[in-house]
Amino acid sequence: GDSVTQMEGPVTLSEEAFLTINCTYTATGYPSLFWYVQYPGEGLQLLLKATKADDKGSNKGFEATYRKETTSFHLEKGSVQVSDSAVYFCALSDMDFNKFYFGSGTKLNVKP
Amino acid sequence: EAGVTQFPSHSVIEKGQTVTLRCDPISGHDNLYWYRRVMGKEIKFLLHFVKESKQDESGMPNNRFLAERTGGTYSTLKVQPAELEDSGVYFCASSLSGLVGGYTFGSGTRLTVV
Repeated sequence: GDSVTQMEGPVTLSEEAFLTINCTYTATGYPSLFWYVQYPGEGLQLLLKATKADDKGSNKGFEATYRKETTSFHLEKGSVQVSDSAVYFCALSDMDFNKFYFGSGTKLNVKP
Repeated sequence: EAGVTQFPSHSVIEKGQTVTLRCDPISGHDNLYWYRRVMGKEIKFLLHFVKESKQDESGMPNNRFLAERTGGTYSTLKVQPAELEDSGVYFCASSLSGLVGGYTFGSGTRLTVV
């Protein structure tokens, strides 16, 4: 069945450091891929998405590229801020976009 | 526009008791979903309503869980009787057409069974 595996956290970085959170997936067909973020006390928010191979999703300085050959969708940001501290979830949607398969989440702590 | 609202935000109950979680979707959203995250693991799909009908309930763990959406507006998720392994965060989401991008999550209900 469909599934997502992402690196375990927590990840602790200093402000302005480079961020990578790894995500790989297993899916039948051609899923769409997503990164969601949960800030403390808030709900899940869509950060970025990519709907086909080689697409790059980007938002708020974060980027991720849909790599079909490596079944990956790694999240990157060149310079993190304290305000980026949150839990990040990688996810894929089934072919009908009716439900998500999420990874276990990676908590990011950014220190000033 | 009001977002997806979930009540309560936290609930602590004893094993064997009953708990009812509520989700108010965005007005006009026919699609309503329940997910849960248990013990820091992955967020898992529970079920999907289209209006008042259950479109997909393949993720419901067992018959102690009952979801309803009377009238196609708000939804409730009842756990009866609660067990320790039911502890986790329960998320609700709604969407207008089921297409991703219009899928809005609530802030979740943290359930602790002691």
